[in-house]
Amino acid sequence: DTGVSQNPRHKITKRGQNVTFRCDPISEHNRLYWYRQTLGQGPEFLTYFQNEAQLEKSRLLSDRFSAERPKGSFSTLEIQRTEQGDSAMYLCASSLRAGNHEQYFGPGTRLTVT
Amino acid sequence: AQSVTQPDIHITVSEGASLELRCNYSYGATPYLFWYVQSPGQGLQLLLKYFSGDTLVQGIKGFEAEFKRSQSSFNLRKPSVHWSDAAEYFCAVGEGYSTLTFGKGTMLLVSP
Repeated sequence: DTGVSQNPRHKITKRGQNVTFRCDPISEHNRLYWYRQTLGQGPEFLTYFQNEAQLEKSRLLSDRFSAERPKGSFSTLEIQRTEQGDSAMYLCASSLRAGNHEQYFGPGTRLTVT
Repeated sequence: AQSVTQPDIHITVSEGASLELRCNYSYGATPYLFWYVQSPGQGLQLLLKYFSGDTLVQGIKGFEAEFKRSQSSFNLRKPSVHWSDAAEYFCAVGEGYSTLTFGKGTMLLVSP
């Protein structure tokens, strides 16, 4: 068990560019979550998957954001036409089963939009 | 909608002294409650959780927390703080089968 991994760990991009982040959950975890954390705030929920199905999306997830989990294993989060307000830490978490809120977090991807 | 309040943004504690971090929540049903710790450059690590049963829960690294329904609180405690405990601590409440709602965090500073 290697824990939740995220790549890249850091990303600097220019405003207007597209970026994609990857999350590899703990194997056998069927739930995967994305959160966003800005400076001085706690993580805020963005979206989650059960297997390959995206079951819930936060209102924070604008049309420029899209997440996928094509085979129920790793997930990608894409941000199109990045804005400076997208600068944040993007955290991925996974959990084993429904009803168990014990989520295990990855180290995060820090995005800086210049 | 549920919410979590951590009233203290920063707390400084002397090494060896006791610690209590406050957390108040707003949630209609019986909550699932958590404390996570985040060190610089690290992800969130789960310290302890409350689902049901005994209201005093033990966690890792010598931490414990007490659920008090009448006060809507879930305060984190440690009898003797070590310098390695310096980090940011987040309280969270679980809703339904999916999301966690986090507080804004309390930064713990440990003085020698």
